[in-house]
Amino acid sequence: DAGITQSPRHKVTETGTPVTLRCHQTENHRYMYWYRQDPGHGLRLIHYSYGVKDTDKGEVSDGYSVSRSKTEDFLLTLESATSSQTSVYFCAISVPGQPYNEQFFGPGTRLTVL
Amino acid sequence: QKEVEQDPGPLSVPEGAIVSLNCTYSNSAFQYFMWYRQYSRKGPELLMYTYSSGNKEDGRFTAQVDKSSKYISLFIRDSQPSDSATYLCAMVKETSGSRLTFGEGTQLTVNP
Repeated sequence: DAGITQSPRHKVTETGTPVTLRCHQTENHRYMYWYRQDPGHGLRLIHYSYGVKDTDKGEVSDGYSVSRSKTEDFLLTLESATSSQTSVYFCAISVPGQPYNEQFFGPGTRLTVL
Repeated sequence: QKEVEQDPGPLSVPEGAIVSLNCTYSNSAFQYFMWYRQYSRKGPELLMYTYSSGNKEDGRFTAQVDKSSKYISLFIRDSQPSDSATYLCAMVKETSGSRLTFGEGTQLTVNP
């Protein structure tokens, strides 16, 4: 998994509860991403970061916030979880290369919101 | 309308068959085209990537891009049970930031 860990790996929570997912990389790569994967939609970008404290929205950012206070950690927060946020969440890093910057994915976090 | 369309399958083939997986896209700004393989309950892993139109071969796998038709394909020759996975096409419009747009994924099962 290219030195990417995600925690927790599984979580069940209730509607309205705040949830934070953590992504940790052992390298110091600049770009980090959060995706969600759902049947019928594939992987969709939630937020991404291009450096410490530098983040931007992706395709499906509503209801999510992120923070990156250290290069190695990228946190995804659901301020008030809803059932529509039940999904598998993947973190990814972009490793510089020529001609293409390859993205490596973490093992995923399976989140269920009841 | 989705920017990238991919038939989700499922696709079931016998061992040794030739498998063809396809994606179409609508935005001509896509420059790099990738195929990811995802085993059950794992993260996606890059299988192949191509730049612009043409073919690229890696062992039993061949990736094709036809930018004029906005159509990409992945061919798997002599398919094996270990090839059973979900295959996702992905595309990127520029290399900086590497923001990927994925297809839905095709679930493939190769039967012994």
